[in-house]
Amino acid sequence: NAGVTQTPKFQVLKTGQSMTLQCAQDMNHEYMSWYRQDPGMGLRLIHYSVGAGITDQGEVPNGYNVSRSTTEDFPLRLLSAAPSQTSVYFCASSYTTSGANTGELFFGEGSRLTVL
Amino acid sequence: AQTVTQSQPEMSVQEAETVTLSCTYDTSENNYYLFWYKQPPSRQMILVIRQEAYKQQNATENRFSVNFQKAAKSFSLKISDSQLGDTAMYFCAFKIRTNDMRFGAGTRLTVKP
Repeated sequence: NAGVTQTPKFQVLKTGQSMTLQCAQDMNHEYMSWYRQDPGMGLRLIHYSVGAGITDQGEVPNGYNVSRSTTEDFPLRLLSAAPSQTSVYFCASSYTTSGANTGELFFGEGSRLTVL
Repeated sequence: AQTVTQSQPEMSVQEAETVTLSCTYDTSENNYYLFWYKQPPSRQMILVIRQEAYKQQNATENRFSVNFQKAAKSFSLKISDSQLGDTAMYFCAFKIRTNDMRFGAGTRLTVKP
């Protein structure tokens, strides 16, 4: 059972380069999200999606794009990387229940991104 | 806006002893869910325990239990009989209907032999 799979696990970019962090889940979860983790700041929500074709912004969306063309995949794109985007990125998914979303988040293993 | 505060950046405990990690949150909602996640050095996020706000009984999972004080908006985690494998970052998290889960800054717990 793969759960939530993120690739790549490590990436080094130069300022201005673009890249896509891939996320896939095989649990048929409606909800998917991206967080970034920085020292002393916990995890902050970048973007999330409650189903295919639906995305929304979280706390820190600037500099990131997402799309949700299928239930399984939720890629995160950095169009022009900046040093401030150096971080560890987590993809997470869960079930949603209409009117009362109780599901825990299932996390990928994280992707460490360094922007020089 | 929903916020989560963990006021203890670092804590340590001797093996086999008990430790309590603090968490407070702020919300105007009445129905919500609270979680504690553990992040060991492997970086994997692991759910430790969850609590539904409508339940008055405190959640318990083996050596882990919570003290949920809804009026005070407090959600502390108690770890009994601490083990070396409990060494990790612990994150308190809060979620309402919209699936938007918010995390505290974390508490780094070290269990000493």
